[in-house]
Amino acid sequence: AQSVTQPDIHITVSEGASLELRCNYSYGATPYLFWYVQSPGQGLQLLLKYFSGDTLVQGIKGFEAEFKRSQSSFNLRKPSVHWSDAAEYFCAVGAGAAGNKLTFGGGTRVLVKP
Amino acid sequence: EPEVTQTPSHQVTQMGQEVILRCVPISNHLYFYWYRQILGQKVEFLVSFYNNEISEKSEIFDDQFSVERPDGSNFTLKIRSTKLEDSAMYFCASSETTQVGELFFGEGSRLTVL
Repeated sequence: AQSVTQPDIHITVSEGASLELRCNYSYGATPYLFWYVQSPGQGLQLLLKYFSGDTLVQGIKGFEAEFKRSQSSFNLRKPSVHWSDAAEYFCAVGAGAAGNKLTFGGGTRVLVKP
Repeated sequence: EPEVTQTPSHQVTQMGQEVILRCVPISNHLYFYWYRQILGQKVEFLVSFYNNEISEKSEIFDDQFSVERPDGSNFTLKIRSTKLEDSAMYFCASSETTQVGELFFGEGSRLTVL
């Protein structure tokens, strides 16, 4: 069965600084990988996804993620963080045969200092 | 922008009571899902629903749970006799296809069982 690990529970970053959130997955086949963001009081919003092809994926809000098969990782990055990026970020892996049955990581809460 | 809406946003109930959580998926979507997140834990898949029947369910989704689409717009999750451990945030999601990852989530319904 697939699993997702987000090693960092909390990250604090200064506004304007770069951000990297780690995600490691375990899945037997080629994974479908996603990053979702949850702002306070909001639902889960898809930031980006990887299905195949270019391993560097661009998403919304200036985020990007890089799939590294050798490291079983799909880390999320943003070069310059804005205060509005304070939220919880979830990495997820999708099982293709089961359609949209997503397995989520535990989430990383990002705090942005002024 | 079309969105998935959920009601209520927060419900408090006594153990043993029946609860119905309601969701209005995006209008042209055909696939519907419930996920839940117990406080401090991961977001977990509960059930997927298509063509008026359950297409997949997790081991969490036992006989206490049921889903239905009573009127062509609402999608409901019923818990027949709530237990303390049912306290969680419940997320509804919908998708137009079963293409993995194309899920749109609602803001969630927080259920507190006393």
